[in-house]
Amino acid sequence: DTAVSQTPKYLVTQMGNDKSIKCEQNLGHDTMYWYKQDSKKFLKIMFSYNNKELIINETVPNRFSPKSPDKAHLNLHINSLELGDSAVYFCASSQDLSGSREQYFGPGTRLTVT
Amino acid sequence: AQKITQTQPGMFVQEKEAVTLDCTYDTSDPSYGLFWYKQPSSGEMIFLIYQGSYDQQNATEGRYSLNFQKARKSANLVISASQLGDSAMYFCAMRGSGTYKYIFGTGTRLKVLA
Repeated sequence: DTAVSQTPKYLVTQMGNDKSIKCEQNLGHDTMYWYKQDSKKFLKIMFSYNNKELIINETVPNRFSPKSPDKAHLNLHINSLELGDSAVYFCASSQDLSGSREQYFGPGTRLTVT
Repeated sequence: AQKITQTQPGMFVQEKEAVTLDCTYDTSDPSYGLFWYKQPSSGEMIFLIYQGSYDQQNATEGRYSLNFQKARKSANLVISASQLGDSAMYFCAMRGSGTYKYIFGTGTRLKVLA
């Protein structure tokens, strides 16, 4: 069974479009995250939710909006896509907010904006 | 502010030999956790090992060990008996007690030679 799953795995779209990426974890974890990995492999946190509550909201354009309908799901909606949004987006989860908890990552969604 | 530095963009190691991947960190938090992740060419992020700042012993997980030197603020990953499947990007990460954010280094690309 997949612990953290993301859909879709690949997303190719044109500038100006709106798209969503879905993430689900079946680990029973309380905390979920969205990361962006750029072409140089740099991994940067975007958002984090704990029990459906937003706890990290990094300096990202407000075109990006996360939504957590329940603690097992964290979706990412992106409006008015731009070329610079092209990246791999990772969803991750951890058991709780404790700093000793490792994160479990989804397989990533490769977003290409043309 | 927290910072993770990985100064080796790329490393080569001969199969069956040991290799050390460097990681230095900076934080003003009194306690913190240090993590290593592996990212193979397939793209997923895999948790390898964790070290807490107050742990008395260096962490070990199978062929992975973490050489933690608190005074030097270093948390190097040692992989013993390298295998071809160890070829991947390796990321060092940290989470301080005063934040919910995990900070990642820029990664080291390891290539194991047959």
